[in-house]
Amino acid sequence: AQSVAQPEDQVNVAEGNPLTVKCTYSVSGNPYLFWYVQYPNRGLQFLLKYITGDNLVKGSYGFEAEFNKSQTSFHLKKPSALVSDSALYFCAVRALHASGGSYIPTFGRGTSLIVHP
Amino acid sequence: EPEVTQTPSHQVTQMGQEVILRCVPISNHLYFYWYRQILGQKVEFLVSFYNNEISEKSEIFDDQFSVERPDGSNFTLKIRSTKLEDSAMYFCASSPEGSGGSDTQYFGPGTRLTVL
Repeated sequence: AQSVAQPEDQVNVAEGNPLTVKCTYSVSGNPYLFWYVQYPNRGLQFLLKYITGDNLVKGSYGFEAEFNKSQTSFHLKKPSALVSDSALYFCAVRALHASGGSYIPTFGRGTSLIVHP
Repeated sequence: EPEVTQTPSHQVTQMGQEVILRCVPISNHLYFYWYRQILGQKVEFLVSFYNNEISEKSEIFDDQFSVERPDGSNFTLKIRSTKLEDSAMYFCASSPEGSGGSDTQYFGPGTRLTVL
């Protein structure tokens, strides 16, 4: 069964410092990896995804993520955090299930990012 | 920018009652999804819908659940006889194409369902 782990419930970072939100996954096939952000009282907003090709993926709002196949990780990064980046971040994976024909996604539990002024 | 909308934002119901959660996907999208998130837990896939039929469903999506696209704009999730454990945030999502799992899904703000 596929799974996603976000090992940190909360990440605290000072404004202007780099941030990293960690995600590791487990799948049997080739993964499609996604990051979403959720602001209070809003739905999940797509940030970026890895499908194939370059391991470094750039997305919205200056975020990027690096796909590392050997470490089965897809950590979200940003060189310089903003207070407005404070939100809940979800990692998700989709892969072809062994039963065939299914790409049902699996989400992580979410990581709360708090950026301090 | 087009958005997925959901109504109501909060629904309170008594155990055993039927509820219908409503979603208006982005107008030119073809694939529709429902997810739920129990407080403090993971976002869980419920069902995907394409061409007026269910494409995939999870183990959670049992006979108590049904989905429908009654007209050209709405996409609904019905829970026939609610249980306490159905209390959760329910998210609707849509995407312009299926793309074999790599499609970008656009989420609505969610409906918080509270079953008493």
